[in-house]
Amino acid sequence: RKEVEQDPGPFNVPEGATVAFNCTYSNSASQSFFWYRQDCRKEPKLLMSVYSSGNEDGRFTAQLNRASQYISLLIRDSKLSDSATYLCVVNGRTGRRALTFGSGTRLQVQP
Amino acid sequence: DVKVTQSSRYLVKRTGEKVFLECVQDMDHENMFWYRQDPGLGLRLIYFSYDVKMKEKGDIPEGYSVSREKKERFSLILESASTNQTSMYLCASSHGEGGQYFGPGTRLTVL
Repeated sequence: RKEVEQDPGPFNVPEGATVAFNCTYSNSASQSFFWYRQDCRKEPKLLMSVYSSGNEDGRFTAQLNRASQYISLLIRDSKLSDSATYLCVVNGRTGRRALTFGSGTRLQVQP
Repeated sequence: DVKVTQSSRYLVKRTGEKVFLECVQDMDHENMFWYRQDPGLGLRLIYFSYDVKMKEKGDIPEGYSVSREKKERFSLILESASTNQTSMYLCASSHGEGGQYFGPGTRLTVL
């Protein structure tokens, strides 16, 4: 089983739609969780941290469910510029500060 | 803003050559990381460092070594490049257990 699993997609949604991604992780001792965004042929960029209480940043909402070991990302009112690959990230078995990246979920927002 | 820079965006080397990839960060982060990213395999951790002159193996250290002589600089060394080391190499830095910030990447081709 992979340490971090994501549906690769692609998710094709129209502008203005709400879309949600889930991610599951296998290490129950993980303490840090993040969502990253990666555009084609660019480096990953930190989108948001995920806290136990959940957090929101504008149109983006992240949730953590420790009991079920999954993390979600909700994007409301999708924009064309949201088209990217979204990476779920947890701190993994190689140490608390070293992160394990999921393979990503591709989102394509269409006009 | 955090800035992580990498010495080259594109690099072409021949099999057997020694290759140096350099990474510099300007935010006084104690943690630095080297990853490679390949289609279908996602980001894989090669080596990381929590402090000057300190290094830890990641998930795929074979064929690589690293050097961290100064806090802001973390070098990845391919002692004898092979074609299976053709990849995108990404450097990142972080503070504590926070999110990591990536450089723009070096696309290495080994012929």
